[in-house]
Amino acid sequence: AQRVTQPEKLLSVFKGAPVELKCNYSYSGSPELFWYVQYSRQRLQLLLRHISRESIKGFTADLNKGETSFHLKKPFAQEEDSAMYYCALSKTSGSRLTFGEGTQLTVNP
Amino acid sequence: DTGVSQDPRHKITKRGQNVTFRCDPISEHNRLYWYRQTLGQGPEFLTYFQNEAQLEKSRLLSDRFSAERPKGSFSTLEIQRTEQGDSAMYLCASKYGQHPPQETQYFGPGTRLLVL
Repeated sequence: AQRVTQPEKLLSVFKGAPVELKCNYSYSGSPELFWYVQYSRQRLQLLLRHISRESIKGFTADLNKGETSFHLKKPFAQEEDSAMYYCALSKTSGSRLTFGEGTQLTVNP
Repeated sequence: DTGVSQDPRHKITKRGQNVTFRCDPISEHNRLYWYRQTLGQGPEFLTYFQNEAQLEKSRLLSDRFSAERPKGSFSTLEIQRTEQGDSAMYLCASKYGQHPPQETQYFGPGTRLLVL
């Protein structure tokens, strides 16, 4: 069975500081990994996915198969980054998403 | 088409009553998913459809829960004999096809259920 762990429920940083949201997973196959974000009073939306190797809003995430991690990073946090972030995993068949419990990021001025 | 829509957005019911939620996916999306999210947790998978076929059901989906997608477009999720533990946000998502698997699921705003 697949599992996603986000060890930090809350993370607070100051504007301009680097931020790293941790995500670890367990899955016996080759998963697809995603980061979803939910801003206040908005619906859940995709931030980025590992297969695209893209940078969205300054965020990047690298899949480390050896450490089974997919940490989300941004070198200089902005106040508008304050949101709930969920790491998610999907089997290669592209069926359901398995989510972590989420990390509430607060970027202070 | 402005995205996935769900109705109602909020529902308060008494224990033992039946409730039904509706989800309208993005029109060209043939896959439709239902998730449940309780306070402080990430969304948990309940079931999904490809067109009108229900392809997978989670063990979370007890006998009191039933989902349909009769014409491969909108879907309904019914909870019979609601219990207080059913109180949660029910999320719907849709996606186009299976391949490539990395295509994103687009989420609706959710239906918040409170069982008194």
